[in-house]
Parts: sequence; structure tokens; C-alpha cells
Amino acid sequence: DAGVTQSPTHLIKTRGQQVTLRCSPKSGHDTVSWYQQALGQGPQFIFQYYEEEERQRGNFPDRFSGHQFPNYSSELNVNALLLGDSALYLCASSRTRDNEQFFGPGTRLTVL
Amino acid sequence: GQNIDQPTEMTATEGAIVQINCTYQTSGFNGLFWYQQHAGEAPTFLSYNVLDGLEEKGRFSSFLSRSKGYSYLLLKELQMKDSASYLCASDSGNTPLVFGKGTRLSVIA
Repeated sequence: DAGVTQSPTHLIKTRGQQVTLRCSPKSGHDTVSWYQQALGQGPQFIFQYYEEEERQRGNFPDRFSGHQFPNYSSELNVNALLLGDSALYLCASSRTRDNEQFFGPGTRLTVL
Repeated sequence: GQNIDQPTEMTATEGAIVQINCTYQTSGFNGLFWYQQHAGEAPTFLSYNVLDGLEEKGRFSSFLSRSKGYSYLLLKELQMKDSASYLCASDSGNTPLVFGKGTRLSVIA
């Protein structure tokens, strides 16, 4: 049983560019949450997707958008990248009635 | 509002016991998670406390006091591989997890 997978592992972009990160949830999970983790900080909630809709959103600008597909996989898109967007982006999946979230390995985004 | 506090760094000796504290102030509370995160890796689940008291799982134990808004993670017989960041996170039901900044534990010989 594959756990949560994310791609790519690492990514380097320049300011102003756009990026798309991908996540496949653990088998049997229908809810996907995205977190941003800056160096030395705890993960910060970006948004959560369930049934292909954004269910909740954290305190992130509209440059951050997402999507969930019928197979429950998800994408995180960030437009007009800023240097401060450099971070580890974590995807976590869960079953809608369960509390525990399983994290993927993350995508390390560097914005130059 | 939501606020989670835990110490930034701790150092302990191999074979010793260390206690990592976490205090929380959240609107609505179901339970408290502890995650371990090695540098550059994803957080991995350690424990989830809903009821007051101590829950033991091998070398790791976690304690919760709902009335005091307080939890701790206890690590016994420390090993070098326990060097990592330890994150506590509040679960408020339908809202997403709120994480503390993490406690970076260094285990020294």
C-alpha cells in the first residue's frame, strides 16, 4: 500500500514564475490538505480539499490555488512566486471522519 | 485564536530521558498530536491524545491535561536517531491541524 506521494521532490524557480506541485493521497483517503513549512518553523495550513472542492483555507493569498481530481489526487499552484515562497510544501491525506493525517515526503521549493 | 507553544531547542544525552512540553490555547479542542520530523523529511505520527493522562508506546509516552491546556512528550533511553524536531499540533475537529514551531532535539554521546 503506497503512502502519500508528492512530486517533484525538489524544484527551483525564479521570482514571478508559476509552479504546480502534485500529491497522490494514501489509498482509501479522500481528503487532502496542503501545508507550507518554512525553515525552522512548523507547518502552516494552506487549504484542504474534499470532494473536489476547497473545504477550508488558511491565511494565504489568492496566488495560492489548488485542485482535487476525481481520483482524490491534488495539485497546489502558486503564481507570481516570491522569494518568501521558498519552503517545504507538504501534502497530507486523511479519511474525512478520521483525525490522523498522513504526510507525504514534501516538495522543496526554492525561489531565486 | 490558536496558539501553540513549545521550546525551540533541547539537548539531551544518549540513554537519558527527555520531556518536551507543549502548551496550547485553541478555540475548540478535540485532541493533541505529536509528530517527529527528521531534517528535510515529512512529519511522522507519534501519538494522539484525546483523554487526560499518560499514554505509553514503547520508548515514547505522551501526556495530556485538557484543563491546563498542556501536553508533553517523554522520550526514554534516548538514541542518536532520536535527534529530530518534535511537533505538537492541536486538533479542533473540522478545522485543520494547528502546529507549533517544533522543538529541535539534539541527542549527544
